[in-house]
Amino acid sequence: GENVEQHPSTLSVQEGDSAVIKCTYSDSASNYFPWYKQELGKRPQLIIDIRSNVGEKKDQRIAVTLNKTAKHFSLHITETQPEDSAVYFCAAYTGGFKTIFGAGTRLFVKA
Amino acid sequence: EAGVAQSPRYKIIEKRQSVAFWCNPISGHATLYWYQQILGQGPKLLIQFQNNGVVDDSQLPKDRFSAERLKGVDSTLKIQPAKLEDSAVYLCASSLNRDPSLYGYTFGSGTRLTVV
Repeated sequence: GENVEQHPSTLSVQEGDSAVIKCTYSDSASNYFPWYKQELGKRPQLIIDIRSNVGEKKDQRIAVTLNKTAKHFSLHITETQPEDSAVYFCAAYTGGFKTIFGAGTRLFVKA
Repeated sequence: EAGVAQSPRYKIIEKRQSVAFWCNPISGHATLYWYQQILGQGPKLLIQFQNNGVVDDSQLPKDRFSAERLKGVDSTLKIQPAKLEDSAVYLCASSLNRDPSLYGYTFGSGTRLTVV
């Protein structure tokens, strides 16, 4: 069945460094890839998304890249700050109205 | 705009007991989802409603889980009887319509269930 693999499961960076989280999806029909940030005890919130007809999208310090051929997409956070510490989830949406989530990456930004 | 409301926020029950969770989506949102999020994992879809009809319940353990959205607005998710492995956060989400790539969806704060 459809699957989304996310790596790494934990990531620790120094404040100001960049962080990269990678996801791989299995369903080639997937056409929409959102990323969610979930702070401890809070709801997941959409931070950026990308559609299959776009290779890269950027929003201030956050960018997402998509390689449809390899079926993987990545989240890039530059100039990390302590408030970026959270769990980040990637997801892939298929044409069958189904969104599959990755297992999450716990990001620690050390001051 | 008001968000997705869920209650209760926390629930502790003994195994084999029953429990019910409630969700009130954003006004006008036709699509409602229930997700199960086990600690350290991503959300897993349990059931998806379009108005008051079920669109996808393929991952709902139907021997113990049930859900309804009778009037196409509020929804309840029930577990009876609960097992230890049901301990998780149950997230409700809603969307204007079925395609989140067009409309996005919003999560509620979730109900944290602990089965002891």
